[in-house]
Amino acid sequence: EDKVVQSPLSLVVHEGDTVTLNCSYEVTNFRSLLWYKQEKKAPTFLFMLTSSGIEKKSGRLSSILDKKELFSILNITATQTGDSAIYLCAEFAGNMLTFGGGTRLMVKP
Amino acid sequence: NAGVTQTPKFRVLKTGQSMTLLCAQDMNHEYMYWYRQDPGMGLRLIHYSVGEGTTAKGEVPDGYNVSRLKKQNFLLGLESAAPSQTSVYFCASCPGIPSYNEQFFGPGTRLTVL
Repeated sequence: EDKVVQSPLSLVVHEGDTVTLNCSYEVTNFRSLLWYKQEKKAPTFLFMLTSSGIEKKSGRLSSILDKKELFSILNITATQTGDSAIYLCAEFAGNMLTFGGGTRLMVKP
Repeated sequence: NAGVTQTPKFRVLKTGQSMTLLCAQDMNHEYMYWYRQDPGMGLRLIHYSVGEGTTAKGEVPDGYNVSRLKKQNFLLGLESAAPSQTSVYFCASCPGIPSYNEQFFGPGTRLTVL
C-alpha cells in the first residue's frame, strides 16, 4: 500500500488557469511534507511544511498542510507554460523521504 | 560549492556486469540517499545513510549495495546488473537536523542494462 498518494495523476490546463494538486500521507514518525518540481532533470525544491494551517507562498505557488486529515495541497495560480512539469510531494518521516507518484501538469498556451 | 554531484552521468551495461555510482556532496550534510526513478513514476528509495560508516535499506534495496566510508561520499554498487535495474538514479543529501529536512539532489545517472 502506497504511503504517499498524489492526485490527479495528470492534468492539462490552459495558461491563466488555477490548479490544485493533492497529496495524502501517513502519520508514522512524521517530520515534514515537501513539494518538488521536476522537469527533465533532478527535482527542485519548492516548499517544506511542518505545521498545520500555515500557508507557504512563493510567487504564484502556495501550499498548505492539514495534519489532522493528513494531506497537503499545492496551488498554482495564473498558470504559465513554464509550469509544465511533474510535481512530487514527499513525506519526511523517521530518516527517510518517501515520494508519491507525482502529478504530471501540462499547461497549454 | 558544487552541491551534490554524481558520476557517471550515463552508463550502458550488459546483464551480469558490475558497476559503482559515486555521489559526492560538499555541504557537510549528515544524511545521504540513493533513489531510482522509472519512467512515469516517482522516486523510490534504495538505500540511505545517516552518517559516516552507517547505511540502511530503503524501499527497494535488492540487487544494490552501498558504502559511506567518508562523510562526503555515498557509493551505490550493482554487483550483477539486470535489465530491471535500467533506470535513472538520483543521489540526495540533507543536513539531518530536525528542523531542516530539505533534500538536495544530484543531476542523476541514466543507467541502461542490456
